[in-house]
Amino acid sequence: GAVVSQHPSWVICKSGTSVKIECRSLDFQATTMFWYRQFPKQSLMLMATSNEGSKATYEQGVEKDKFLINHASLTLSTLTVTSAHPEDSSFYICSARSDRANYGYTFGSGTRLTVV
Amino acid sequence: KNQVEQSPQSLIILEGKNCTLQCNYTVSPFSNLRWYKQDTGRGPVSLTIMTFSENTKSNGRYTATLDADTKQSSLHITASQLSDSASYICVVSLGTYKYIFGTGTRLKVLA
Repeated sequence: GAVVSQHPSWVICKSGTSVKIECRSLDFQATTMFWYRQFPKQSLMLMATSNEGSKATYEQGVEKDKFLINHASLTLSTLTVTSAHPEDSSFYICSARSDRANYGYTFGSGTRLTVV
Repeated sequence: KNQVEQSPQSLIILEGKNCTLQCNYTVSPFSNLRWYKQDTGRGPVSLTIMTFSENTKSNGRYTATLDADTKQSSLHITASQLSDSASYICVVSLGTYKYIFGTGTRLKVLA
């Protein structure tokens, strides 16, 4: 089946530093990947759509200069949280669309980011 | 406005009991509806997917139903187990890359 690997699974960083989260499709190519943020007890909120070889499409209210997305290959997308603040602490999840998953989402396991 | 509403918000049941989660949507155009299970601190995992013409879909102890006329779906869990404790998310697709997520139902199964 389609597998999406996300790394790291959790990270703690100091305010003002940057954190990079990786999302890899292990057994399929994903021209499009998606990044979500999820606060406790809330649903997934789409942050941006990551397109291989082109600029990401950000949802309204998401700062593109703060959440840098790079999709340099068909199997890897990265999300960098720049100049992190405590309010950026959240659960970040990536997903990719695969025909092996009946054209549905396959989600990564998520990254718990804590900014102190 | 495209919306997906789930009920109840949270549910507590005893191990071995059955339960049913509800999903009502006002989404157009409708492509398909999926149920996901999300364990705490993990990414969602797909349980079922149904298109407009499908009324029911099973995956082990999970059975999803879809009534496209009333725009309602349900997820029935049979003989619940402790490992069923999780959030269950209903997601409706409008088409390519367009998804509306429900807020989820948090299920807790007690021994």
